[in-house]
Amino acid sequence: EAGVVQSPRYKIIEKKQPVAFWCNPISGHNTLYWYLQNLGQGPELLIRYENEEAVDDSQLPKDRFSAERLKGVDSTLKIQPAELGDSAVYLCASSLDGEDTEAFFGQGTRLTVV
Amino acid sequence: RKEVEQDPGPFNVPEGATVAFNCTYSNSASQSFFWYRQDCRKEPKLLMSVYSSGNEDGRFTAQLNRASQYISLLIRDSKLSDSATYLCVVTVPESYKLIFGSGTRLLVRP
Repeated sequence: EAGVVQSPRYKIIEKKQPVAFWCNPISGHNTLYWYLQNLGQGPELLIRYENEEAVDDSQLPKDRFSAERLKGVDSTLKIQPAELGDSAVYLCASSLDGEDTEAFFGQGTRLTVV
Repeated sequence: RKEVEQDPGPFNVPEGATVAFNCTYSNSASQSFFWYRQDCRKEPKLLMSVYSSGNEDGRFTAQLNRASQYISLLIRDSKLSDSATYLCVVTVPESYKLIFGSGTRLLVRP
């Protein structure tokens, strides 16, 4: 069974440019998370979906970040415009549901903004 | 104060050693607790859940102390392959939001 799939694995862009990340969760998983991880830090939640509904986006910088999960399956995370401080690894995770179940992570997208 | 705090380490131990990590959390109503393992430049993976009664999985033992609001991970007979960062994870009540600590780095040397 395929795990959580993310693309691209790496992305280098110039500041002020837009960028988008894609995530396909494990089939049947209702909960999808986007996390940001800086070097030497633990993942920090950006947004959590239950099916197609964003149930927690309190940590998402909405002036430049947006996300969607149409049809409650795959999801995209967009940054527009990107800033130097956005350089990080963006991790997508999914779980069967939000309650006490294991979250499975994708390999992440490493973003470098120059 | 951070919601979940860990000693960043690194803990540098010889093969065969026993090593223990602690993690403290600030929200006394936290419901679920986990240890995740993250290898260098890889994604986090669940190592084990932490139950109120404590649990053991081979060389790994996890304990929860609700009164003092900390969880621990004990690794016995360390292997070279145990070298990784260990992330403490706590869920926020009612939202099931996973809160990660910054991780504790373990280096097991020959």
